Amino acid sequence: DTEVTQTPKHLVMGMTNKKSLKCEQHMGHRAMYWYKQKAKKPPELMFVYSYEKLSINESVPSRFSPECPNSSLLNLHLHALQPEDSALYLCASSQDPGYTEAFFGQGTRLTVV
Amino acid sequence: GQQVMQIPQYQHVQEGEDFTTYCNSSTTLSNIQWYKQRPGGHPVFLIQLVKSGEVKKQKRLTFQFGEAKKNSSLHITATQTTDVGTYFCAGPRGTGNQFYFGTGTSLTVIP
Repeated sequence: DTEVTQTPKHLVMGMTNKKSLKCEQHMGHRAMYWYKQKAKKPPELMFVYSYEKLSINESVPSRFSPECPNSSLLNLHLHALQPEDSALYLCASSQDPGYTEAFFGQGTRLTVV
Repeated sequence: GQQVMQIPQYQHVQEGEDFTTYCNSSTTLSNIQWYKQRPGGHPVFLIQLVKSGEVKKQKRLTFQFGEAKKNSSLHITATQTTDVGTYFCAGPRGTGNQFYFGTGTSLTVIP
């Protein structure tokens, strides 16, 4: 199994809503990542989890809250988002944190209204 | 801070023509990765280069890492419509091991 599975694929939420994005991998990878990608732009790194611990937070606003319940799961909790937060949110995993290829999920297309 | 820039930003080619995208870093990179993202898709890993001057080939794709490890290139010979997408290089930033994406080159192949 070389897949990273993200749910939901699409999400529309209001600015007062609370929602969560989910990511799952069963490759035994020890690093997991959240990226944000706006149209026609490169993916921007948001968070890195290494061995289930948050190792990098790229100065992401607190309305985005990551969580790693176990080595296979990664969540991104969303609260009080702004319309400019609308984007494709990509989850990725790699065998180790850095220096190895990253496997990406299909992404969640988020629209904030 | 360190940035990885790619040129060109966009490239339109006739099917069968060659294509090259260049990746340039302001600092020396310990290694570099290349990814392809199809329209509406997610990034897919293509290759990783580690050694100075390294050249790797995958069928019609040739990847090169510069001698100074500050630049890299991806060359596609005889493009096909299946090559359409955005090609990103990705390199580590600062002392960390995490990879940050370059600005990307969007390739359109005209049949």
